Amino acid sequence: GAVVSQHPSRVICKSGTSVKIECRSLDFQATTMFWYRQFPKQSLMLMATSNEGSKATYEQGVEKDKFLINHASLTLSTLTVTSAHPEDSSFYICSARSPYILDEQFFGPGTRLTVL
Amino acid sequence: AQTVTQSQPEMSVQEAETVTLSCTYDTSESDYYLFWYKQPPSRQMILVIRQEAYKQQNATENRFSVNFQKAAKSFSLKISDSQLGDAAMYFCALHRDSNYQLIWGAGTKLIIKP
Repeated sequence: GAVVSQHPSRVICKSGTSVKIECRSLDFQATTMFWYRQFPKQSLMLMATSNEGSKATYEQGVEKDKFLINHASLTLSTLTVTSAHPEDSSFYICSARSPYILDEQFFGPGTRLTVL
Repeated sequence: AQTVTQSQPEMSVQEAETVTLSCTYDTSESDYYLFWYKQPPSRQMILVIRQEAYKQQNATENRFSVNFQKAAKSFSLKISDSQLGDAAMYFCALHRDSNYQLIWGAGTKLIIKP
């Protein structure tokens, strides 16, 4: 139980295009989802916290117009990188939390984004 | 401010031996959770062990155990009988109860020598 999926696992796009990454909780309802960015050999950097049905809360320094987060249902959150540039290339990880499952975060497998 | 510090960027251990990874943290909250996560080369984050701050007993999961020293704000992970599959990045994390966010340490790369 408590599985989180991400799609796609890997995406390559041209500079200036937008890319959408999906995060789904497969067997539980996630009241809160988190989006992280991870640079090579570094720790996870929290980008934003999203609660179902409300606007995401972005961490300081994260451009909300560039990284659009939608949490429209209890099992799906999306991260859209708008007008992507090479510096947006990174590994993006989502996690989902249910207050009914040990108050724990469950992680997706991550998405590697490469912007050419 | 809440912080998590892992002072060992890299550790190595001989297969079948025991290794301890260090983690210290700082928080003003009295009730919180601490976690150790493993990130293998696949980059999937895997929960290794969790500790509730109100519990005095150290958590144990098979070969993995913690030494939780609340007064010293220390939370080390001991891996016994190390196996090749234990090779990974290990992250210590503090759960911030107010908004359920995790505060992460910088990570320790664990190398297992065959």
